[in-house]
Amino acid sequence: AQKITQTQPGMFVQEKEAVTLDCTYDTSDPSYGLFWYKQPSSGEMIFLIYQGSYDQQNATEGRYSLNFQKARKSANLVISASQLGDSAMYFCAMREGAGGTSYGKLTFGQGTILTVHP
Amino acid sequence: DGGITQSPKYLFRKEGQNVTLSCEQNLNHDAMYWYRQDPGQGLRLIYYSQIVNDFQKGDIAEGYSVSREKKESFPLTVTSAQKNPTAFYLCASSIVSTGVTGELFFGEGSRLTVL
Repeated sequence: AQKITQTQPGMFVQEKEAVTLDCTYDTSDPSYGLFWYKQPSSGEMIFLIYQGSYDQQNATEGRYSLNFQKARKSANLVISASQLGDSAMYFCAMREGAGGTSYGKLTFGQGTILTVHP
Repeated sequence: DGGITQSPKYLFRKEGQNVTLSCEQNLNHDAMYWYRQDPGQGLRLIYYSQIVNDFQKGDIAEGYSVSREKKESFPLTVTSAQKNPTAFYLCASSIVSTGVTGELFFGEGSRLTVL
């Protein structure tokens, strides 16, 4: 079974608008961490934001925020005020705790390509 | 500057040849990882190491080998047994090898093409 599912292969957004990239995850471990990475066309992986399963509040980092809905097992990334430089592939990833089957690893989803139009 | 250095950036190989991709980090991180990325796809874990002289297979270890003789270095060998080695290879490290926190820091990647 897929640990991380990103159902949007591609998304388009107008510059200065907000966009939400979807991510759902599957784990039975109560302790886990969720990560979002950005990959521009150059190939480098840029860490954006982290959410722990026990965190009470949604994580925010500048224009990035994570809409964490634990009961629905979703961790959507919200980018506010999109910029042309936000055009990239975005990956959701999860690390499980010691009770998980993939302990010690960071498991990635298939990614979503975001294109920001001027 | 602290970071992860992968070399070479581009590599061409003939079928049947082994190649070794270098990964060096000066972040003093305990854990290191190798991922493979195919075009338009996510990252798949090949091998990871949580401590020197120890490593574990990831999800797609067949046809690959690694070593971890030094904390700073985690080279990946793509052997002739790997059926479809053409891909983008990413090395990463993290400060923690256990627990759920600690993001991965990535190198710039190595693009391997088999001719």
